[in-house]
Amino acid sequence: GESVGLHLPTLSVQEGDNSIINCAYSNSASDYFIWYKQESGKGPQFIIDIRSNMDKRQGQRVTVLLNKTVKHLSLQIAATQPGDSAVYFCAETYSRGGSNYKLTFGKGTLLTVNP
Amino acid sequence: DTEVTQTPKHLVMGMTNKKSLKCEQHMGHRAMYWYKQKAKKPPELMFVYSYEKLSINESVPSRFSPECPNSSLLNLHLHALQPEDSALYLCASSQGLGAKEKLFFGSGTQLSVL
Repeated sequence: GESVGLHLPTLSVQEGDNSIINCAYSNSASDYFIWYKQESGKGPQFIIDIRSNMDKRQGQRVTVLLNKTVKHLSLQIAATQPGDSAVYFCAETYSRGGSNYKLTFGKGTLLTVNP
Repeated sequence: DTEVTQTPKHLVMGMTNKKSLKCEQHMGHRAMYWYKQKAKKPPELMFVYSYEKLSINESVPSRFSPECPNSSLLNLHLHALQPEDSALYLCASSQGLGAKEKLFFGSGTQLSVL
């Protein structure tokens, strides 16, 4: 079946470095992508989203890049801080007609920021 | 108020017990969700309510029974659970039901079934 996955299950970076978290998706019909951050003991928190008619979107210290040709999504975090340590999930969705849709999460990447 | 509140935060129950998980939001959202998350795994959709009516049931066993008493509340009634049902149960809400709606998650209820 269709799935959303991640290349790297864990990523360890030094404080102040830039982080890049990757995600591959297989459903060519996906038209909306979201990155979530989940800290220990908390629910997923929305970070940034991107629609399929875009290839780049920037937020505060975060940038999402979308390459539809190779079905690849990445999250870039600038000047990574200890508070960025968390599991990061990509998620994809597409309209299935009417209001019927399903948000599919990728496997997640654990980001550890070393001081 | 941009919070989704879940109670209890932790729950331990036996396989013969009946318990309920509760979720509340006051953002005026009309869609509410239950997700199940096993350790080190992504959340998996269980149920979706839209305008207080069940819209999606992802083939969840009947020992899980959702209820939406009003637009702000969502319950998950548990009965005769199995140890493999131990997981983090997450509630979420969104303004509407659609492919590009932003989901707001609660912190979850960590459930242990003995």
